[in-house]
Amino acid sequence: EAGVTQFPSHSVIEKGQTVTLRCDPISGHDNLYWYRRVMGKEIKFLLHFVKESKQDESGMPNNRFLAERTGGTYSTLKVQPAELEDSGVYFCASSQVGEKLFFGSGTQLSVL
Amino acid sequence: AQKVTQAQTEISVVEKEDVTLDCVYETRDTTYYLFWYKQPPSGELVFLIRRNSFDEQNEISGRYSWNFQKSTSSFNFTITASQVVDSAVYFCALTTDSWGKLQFGAGTQVVVTP
Repeated sequence: EAGVTQFPSHSVIEKGQTVTLRCDPISGHDNLYWYRRVMGKEIKFLLHFVKESKQDESGMPNNRFLAERTGGTYSTLKVQPAELEDSGVYFCASSQVGEKLFFGSGTQLSVL
Repeated sequence: AQKVTQAQTEISVVEKEDVTLDCVYETRDTTYYLFWYKQPPSGELVFLIRRNSFDEQNEISGRYSWNFQKSTSSFNFTITASQVVDSAVYFCALTTDSWGKLQFGAGTQVVVTP
């Protein structure tokens, strides 16, 4: 069974550019989460989808971040325009209802 | 407010030594769940354990053991007879409302050398 897949694994962009991260959850998992780890600090919750609906987006830093989950399958996280402080590792996780999270390997984003 | 503190940034041990990772948490809720995750060099976070606030029984799984003490708000993790494959970053996490909205600590890097 395939795990949670994220791509790209690494992305290097310049300040002001746009970047889109993608997450493919495990098939059948209705819950999808985005987390971020900045500068070796805590991994922080960004948002939670249940199927295609945003259940909780309280962790989104600002309106430069836009997450979508079309059709309740894969999800994208767009940062536009990117700022230096957006650098970090973005993790995606998925789960069935009431079950443990399965995490992807993350996308390392570097904004120069 | 909730908070998880992992005071140890990095721990280096020689193979076969035991290593204990500290985790101290803060929450005002009486019902909560504590987790440990492992992040090997491949990058993904791997679930190790989930413990609810009403179950203070310690748990052992192979070389791994966990000590949950509500009196000190701690949920420490011990690896017995460490192996090189245990080298990873270990994260402690807390949630009060679901499995998925986790409050993580900063992580502890464990380096096991042969």
